[in-house]
Amino acid sequence: KAGVTQTPRYLIKTRGQQVTLSCSPISGHRSVSWYQQTPGQGLQFLFEYFSETQRNKGNFPGRFSGRQFSNSRSEMNVSTLELGDSALYLCASSLERRDSPLHFGNGTRLTVT
Amino acid sequence: GESVGLHLPTLSVQEGDNSIINCAYSNSASDYFIWYKQESGKGPQFIIDIRSNMDKRQGQRVTVLLNKTVKHLSLQIAATQPGDSAVYFCAENRHSSASKIIFGSGTRLSIRP
Repeated sequence: KAGVTQTPRYLIKTRGQQVTLSCSPISGHRSVSWYQQTPGQGLQFLFEYFSETQRNKGNFPGRFSGRQFSNSRSEMNVSTLELGDSALYLCASSLERRDSPLHFGNGTRLTVT
Repeated sequence: GESVGLHLPTLSVQEGDNSIINCAYSNSASDYFIWYKQESGKGPQFIIDIRSNMDKRQGQRVTVLLNKTVKHLSLQIAATQPGDSAVYFCAENRHSSASKIIFGSGTRLSIRP
């Protein structure tokens, strides 16, 4: 069974630009979550999608948005990029079950210059 | 406040010895705990999980112990190998949605030859 796939693996953008990251969950997983990982803040929750609906959102500005498609694939978008947005963006999928762990992709490394 | 913390940020272990990574949590309502391993350049990888109705769970070379009395979680790795070098995160899950998963700051495990 294929794992969580994230594309692209690396991105370099300049301040003010926008970026779209893509995530394909494990087959059968309908819940997709996004996390931002930085050395200083660790793993920070961005948002979670289930059945094309955003179910929860973390404490991030409105520049961060996402969506989920009918095939459970998800995208996240960051507009008006800032230097502080440089981070590893991780996508995770899981079964819709109380004690189901998240399964992470290898992330997209975003560098904003 | 709510937090999942690690007793030590780094741990150095002799190859072949057993490793013990500790984690403290603060919320008594947490009912599901997960350990992740993150190697350089990769996303967190699920290692093992444990529900709050258990005290111990064993996997291949790994054992997780849960002490609900003192809100303490530990990961034991038997016969530590060079491939075990990574950052280890504990995570607690109080609800089914990902937003309720809180990650610790991580412990970096290094192996001495």
